[in-house]
Amino acid sequence: KQEVTQIPAALSVPEGENLVLNCSFTDSAIYNLQWFRQDPGKGLTSLLLIQSSQREQTSGRLNASLDKSSGRSTLYIAASQPGDSATYLCAVRPNSGGYQKVTFGTGTKLQVIP
Amino acid sequence: DAMVIQNPRYQVTQFGKPVTLSCSQTLNHNVMYWYQQKSSQAPKLLFHYYDKDFNNEADTPDNFQSRRPNTSFCFLDIRSPGLGDAAMYLCATSRESRNEQYFGPGTRLTVT
Repeated sequence: KQEVTQIPAALSVPEGENLVLNCSFTDSAIYNLQWFRQDPGKGLTSLLLIQSSQREQTSGRLNASLDKSSGRSTLYIAASQPGDSATYLCAVRPNSGGYQKVTFGTGTKLQVIP
Repeated sequence: DAMVIQNPRYQVTQFGKPVTLSCSQTLNHNVMYWYQQKSSQAPKLLFHYYDKDFNNEADTPDNFQSRRPNTSFCFLDIRSPGLGDAAMYLCATSRESRNEQYFGPGTRLTVT
């Protein structure tokens, strides 16, 4: 059974800092990995999707990397802003046996202090 | 803009009183999902539809049912809500089972 862990559970940084959020998963047989942002009381907003054959994806100040063999992904946020404050979740889609069975981590709650 | 829409955004129901949550999409995606998310927890998949093909997760309580009358709409029915069913309910879509998921804003369900 796939398990997805995100450490730390919470992170507080001053505005302008570069930061890295971590996601680890136990089963490397994945099809893709997706990073989401969730604001309090809201739904999930897709940030980046990395296919299993890719090493990284970039969108603006965000860069996500994937090391499938070691079961790790990181989300790098450059020059953090107060508006980046949210919970960030990663989700892993399996490579077989039911592609719909995405497994989510419990998220890292980020606070960017002005 | 193409999107996933959920109504209502907030729903209050009484213990045991049936409630229906709705989701619609303008993306014309084949797959629609329902997730339950409790406070500070990861979203938990309840069931999904591939077109009209319904797939229930093994640990989804019988109290939860779903309907998808057409491509655009999907409903979550909770037949007899208990206090433990209070949660955020998230609807998501994807073009195919392997593709990127797009989420709606969620419905916050309160059970009194």
